[in-house]
Amino acid sequence: KNEVEQSPQNLTAQEGEFITINCSYSVGISALHWLQQHPGGGIVSLFMLSSGKKKHGRLIATINIQEKHSSLHITASHPRDSAVYICAVRLDSNYQLIWGAGTKLIIKP
Amino acid sequence: NAGVMQNPRHLVRRRGQEARLRCSPMKGHSHVYWYRQLPEEGLKFMVYLQKENIIDESGMPKERFSAEFPKEGPSILRIQQVVRGDSAAYFCASSPLTGHSSTDTQYFGPGTRLTVL
Repeated sequence: KNEVEQSPQNLTAQEGEFITINCSYSVGISALHWLQQHPGGGIVSLFMLSSGKKKHGRLIATINIQEKHSSLHITASHPRDSAVYICAVRLDSNYQLIWGAGTKLIIKP
Repeated sequence: NAGVMQNPRHLVRRRGQEARLRCSPMKGHSHVYWYRQLPEEGLKFMVYLQKENIIDESGMPKERFSAEFPKEGPSILRIQQVVRGDSAAYFCASSPLTGHSSTDTQYFGPGTRLTVL
């Protein structure tokens, strides 16, 4: 079993829909990252969370430390949001990031 | 303030040649991480460096791969005698702090796509 699990693996939605991507982990962490990887391959850090909730524009990220679960939400989705969204956790014990497999999101106009 | 820079963006090598990938961290950052993303797979940690020090290379293949981060200049990931299985995207990230802080974050470069023919 992977230490970081994301769901769904693939998600196709219509423009305007509310999107939720989930991340569950089984290890002790000090922080959790959400990243975005565009078709060209570049990676952008979206959020780093250690507790609670963060919001940036149409993106919202939440984390529940007790349940070892985080969600990334996109409101009013747009085709330009189409990308792979990756959850990565930083272990309690060191600085390494353990990556989820990613969620491929396609937003259709 | 320029972001993390990597060059080249694309690199083509024939089997047996050497590949040198460069990463210039963000200004003021003294910690560099290298990750590899094999086709259709997630990213995997390779090595963590501070200036003139390798802190953790537990993710580096034992042979042919080496990394350095000199006092001056970019961090270099070097792959000797490349094989087809080395074809991947190699990402560098930098951070300003120790890497142990829960408030630290890593900033990613655009990656170098290595293709081995």
